Amino acid sequence: AQSVTQLGSHVSVSEGALVLLRCNYSSSVPPYLFWYVQYPNQGLQLLLKYTSAATLVKGINGFEAEFKKSETSFHLTKPSAHMSDAAEYFCAVSGAPMDTGRRALTFGSGTRLQVQP
Amino acid sequence: EAGVTQFPSHSVIEKGQTVTLRCDPISGHDNLYWYRRVMGKEIKFLLHFVKESKQDESGMPNNRFLAERTGGTYSTLKVQPAELEDSGVYFCASSQDWKGGEQYFGPGTRLTVT
Repeated sequence: AQSVTQLGSHVSVSEGALVLLRCNYSSSVPPYLFWYVQYPNQGLQLLLKYTSAATLVKGINGFEAEFKKSETSFHLTKPSAHMSDAAEYFCAVSGAPMDTGRRALTFGSGTRLQVQP
Repeated sequence: EAGVTQFPSHSVIEKGQTVTLRCDPISGHDNLYWYRRVMGKEIKFLLHFVKESKQDESGMPNNRFLAERTGGTYSTLKVQPAELEDSGVYFCASSQDWKGGEQYFGPGTRLTVT
């Protein structure tokens, strides 16, 4: 079984400040991990993914995340927030290719990021 | 390349009525997924098609929900009869090859059952 916990349903930062969105996962198999973003009135867009290669993953729009197996975490960071980063962010997990079971994504409950001018 | 499209974008129906949601995946994507987000909750998996076959339907909430993917192209999700708790946003996603796991999402259909 897999699960994802996102700490903080709402996070507010000032423009130019560090963005840190937390994600912890639980998985019985080596996980694939994802961060998706949803802007208002749009679908989910992939920010970045971890698929057992480098533990520090760089994504679009200056975001990155670090896979820490010992902490079962995959926190999302961005050094300097921009107004356009205001959106809802979702962490998700799925099984690795050798897992012939479910391939669907299991999502966290989402974190809404507000960026204050 | 066209993305995943969903129709309608918004549907309002009364309890007991039937609604059919449609998803057109990215051309050539064999994998098609349905997800649902009930207000205030997390996005939850409903089912997964590989071409026209149901690979995993473990997330379907009950037998009022029927999904089809005839010919392995577009998919429909029918809710009959609709209940109040079916309200939410229904997302469709597709992927070409499971390796890498990246799924491309549509904009969703917002279903409101009154």
